[in-house]
Amino acid sequence: AQRVTQPEKLLSVFKGAPVELKCNYSYSGSPELFWYVQYSRQRLQLLLRHISRESIKGFTADLNKGETSFHLKKPFAQEEDSAMYYCALSGHDYKLSFGAGTTVTVRA
Amino acid sequence: GAGVSQSPRYKVAKRGQDVALRCDPISGHVSLFWYQQALGQGPEFLTYFQNEAQLDKSGLPSDRFFAERPEGSVSTLKIQRTQQEDSAVYLCASSSSGASEYYNEQFFGPGTRLTVL
Repeated sequence: AQRVTQPEKLLSVFKGAPVELKCNYSYSGSPELFWYVQYSRQRLQLLLRHISRESIKGFTADLNKGETSFHLKKPFAQEEDSAMYYCALSGHDYKLSFGAGTTVTVRA
Repeated sequence: GAGVSQSPRYKVAKRGQDVALRCDPISGHVSLFWYQQALGQGPEFLTYFQNEAQLDKSGLPSDRFFAERPEGSVSTLKIQRTQQEDSAVYLCASSSSGASEYYNEQFFGPGTRLTVL
């Protein structure tokens, strides 16, 4: 069985402060990990995927297979980063398994 | 081009009514997915189509749920005899690749919010 856990429902940070969203997964194999984001009144969209190893909008995420984690980080949060963030896993099939999501609020 | 569209955006049904939710995927996309998102939760997989073939319906919660994609483009998710626990946002996503291919990005629609009274 595959499962994604996001322990924080809500995260509030000040503008310019670092932000880290935690994600842990369970999967018996080598999964693909993703972060999806949903801005207010917009649809769910892909933010980044571990295999591309790129930084999107200043966010990075490193897959730690030993700790089965895929935490999302940004060194300096911006107000436009306020959104709902979902960690998701694909076991190299077509399905995505999502965590429950973390609501991030960046305060001025 | 246009993204994935869904209709209606909002649906209110009385318990016991049948509902039909429509998804128009991105033109040419082979794969189509339905997810159910309950309040405060992440999306959960319901079913998957590759062209017109329904390859996986393991996530459908009961036999009251039925999905089809007869011509390999538009898909309809039908819920019969709706119950209060069916209240959720139903998301549709499409992808350009098939199940046997390397994972390709799923593009999501805006969702249909179903409320069963």
